[in-house]
This record gives sequence, C-alpha cells and structure tokens, in this order.
Amino acid sequence: QSVLTQPPSVSGAPGQRVTISCTGSSSNIGAVYDVHWYQQLPGTAPKLLIYDNDNRPSGVPDRFYGSKSGTSASLAITGLQAEDEADYYCQSYDSSLSGWVFGGGTKLTVL
Amino acid sequence: EVQLVQSGAEVKKPGESLKISCKGSGYSFTTYWIDWVRQMPGKGLEWMGIIYPGDSDPRYSPSFQGQVTISADKSISTAYLHWSSLKASDTAMYYCARRPVDGYSPFDYWGQGTLVTVSS
Repeated sequence: QSVLTQPPSVSGAPGQRVTISCTGSSSNIGAVYDVHWYQQLPGTAPKLLIYDNDNRPSGVPDRFYGSKSGTSASLAITGLQAEDEADYYCQSYDSSLSGWVFGGGTKLTVL
Repeated sequence: EVQLVQSGAEVKKPGESLKISCKGSGYSFTTYWIDWVRQMPGKGLEWMGIIYPGDSDPRYSPSFQGQVTISADKSISTAYLHWSSLKASDTAMYYCARRPVDGYSPFDYWGQGTLVTVSS
C-alpha cells in the first residue's frame, strides 16, 4: 500500500487528454512539500517529467502539465501520442516518515 | 553531460553478500545527494535511502533500515548499496538517482539500474 494513491491504469485514444491523480495527506502533499512526477518507459529507468508541482524540465513537451491542490496533485497529458505509453509515478516528501514517498504508479495505455 | 552509471546485473544465492555501485560524472559529485530506489518485479518505486557524498552520512527509509548499507567514496565519485546477507525477496531492479541539495528537490538524473536476482 503506497502512501500516495494513484489509479492503477488510465487510457485514451491518440490526440485525447488524460489525467492522473495523486492523493496524499497532511504529512506530505498537504504540507509544504512539492510534488514531482516521473515517466518510466518500458524497460527503462524513470525520467523526471514534472518538478515542483507544475514545472517542466528542459526537453519535456508542453503537452504535460502538473497541478497541486490541497492534499492532491494531478498530471495532465494532452494530445496523447503512442510514445506516451508508460508508467507514471508521483513523488513527495513525507514528514511523518522522514523520507521520500512514491505513488503506486499509473500505467497509461494509448488505445 | 551528467551521467550516473551503475554496475552490471548480479545473480546471487540467498545468504551471500553483494555491493553494487553508482558512478557519477559530469558534475560535482560531492554537492548532490545520491538516493537509492528499489523496484521489485512488476511493482512500483520504493525509496530506500540517501547519502551525501560530501560527508558520507547515510539516512535510511524505515523499511530498509538495517537491511542494507549505503556508502560513498568521493575520491572516485561512486556511491554503493551493500547487502551482507541477501534474501530471495531482495530480487529487484535498483536505481541510484541524483538530487540537488536545496530543499526537497526532485531526482533529476537516474542511473540505468542494476538488476539483482537472488535465487538458490
């Protein structure tokens, strides 16, 4: 059971928009800690996708955007492409655990 | 170019010891945290612990405290993850990742992963 809760899977057709939620608590997302998102393509290491809730590293398309509100965060992907098919993980810091926590991961399928 | 290069896949028997490595290059190794993350087969990411190579002071997730040892040798820009007695349940992919020291920054660069298989 992960500290941060994500849906196990989402899907969408090419060109559509999907969102992935990440629900935490007052000791992590609901506190002062930012949320980061990672994309893990099949058979590869995770890659930073969104940092500090809503910032994209250089090279990440603006089709990806993140938001945070209260004890939850979301990752939205617009203009879905086949290459977006991957696992997505949210991450935050947890003051009760004094360490980093991840969501359980969400598998995105492009139909 | 920032790179974290991890040591190769390992196949071990239960009870054996193992140390895997993560060598940083392209940046100042002693001014970033190095974190270790476990991914069991078909499962999600789990944070194991962290070390600041500048002072080699490790910190562990409660779930991994006493199970592994994290260390670093700043003279060769390398961090390590060590098991003294492996179990079958240690079978997983292990990633190292770099994190800036300011605040609660993200893991901005990751190693390619080291697959550890423990089987009798």
